[in-house]
Amino acid sequence: GNSVTQMEGPVTLSEEAFLTINCTYTATGYPSLFWYVQYPGEGLQLLLKATKADDKGSNKGFEATYRKETTSFHLEKGSVQVSDSAVYFCALTLNAGGTSYGKLTFGQGTILTVHP
Amino acid sequence: DAGVIQSPRHEVTEMGQEVTLRCKPISGHDYLFWYRQTMMRGLELLIYFNNNVPIDDSGMPEDRFSAKMPNASFSTLKIQPSEPRDSAVYFCASSKRGHLGSEQFFGPGTRLTVL
Repeated sequence: GNSVTQMEGPVTLSEEAFLTINCTYTATGYPSLFWYVQYPGEGLQLLLKATKADDKGSNKGFEATYRKETTSFHLEKGSVQVSDSAVYFCALTLNAGGTSYGKLTFGQGTILTVHP
Repeated sequence: DAGVIQSPRHEVTEMGQEVTLRCKPISGHDYLFWYRQTMMRGLELLIYFNNNVPIDDSGMPEDRFSAKMPNASFSTLKIQPSEPRDSAVYFCASSKRGHLGSEQFFGPGTRLTVL
């Protein structure tokens, strides 16, 4: 089956520190990969995505590269801010013939807290 | 577009009562998803629809839960009778098939408390 595994949290960092949240996946087909972010009291929102191997998704200073050889999609940011405090979810959806099946498989989420 | 709309935002009810959660997806989206989020179990997919038809309801906890999508712009998730262990945040999300890497758009959620 399909699954996503994220590094255990919570992660606590000081402002301007470097962030890495590890994500690995297993998929029976050809997936697109996503990072979603959930700020306190809100729903999930897309942070970035990559649809094929070696693609790099980026947004708001966050980056992740689709690594097919290691089945990974690690999230990185060079300098975190207090406002980045949130829960981060790695996810995948299967594709076929250029079409997305729509259903997402989520990791368990990683809580990030950034202190001033 | 207003995004995915959910109502109510907060619901407090007593054990045994019927609860109905409502969702309006983004216009033009053909997938609709219901999720439940708790501290203990994280984010769980309960059921999803494609073109108003339920595709996978394997995540529905038990017969007390039911979901309907009578048309493309409205869906309900009903719990009858409700129990304290149903307390959670319930999210609705929608997406559009046909685009590689299509994004799911989430609503703000309904926080349900069953006393």
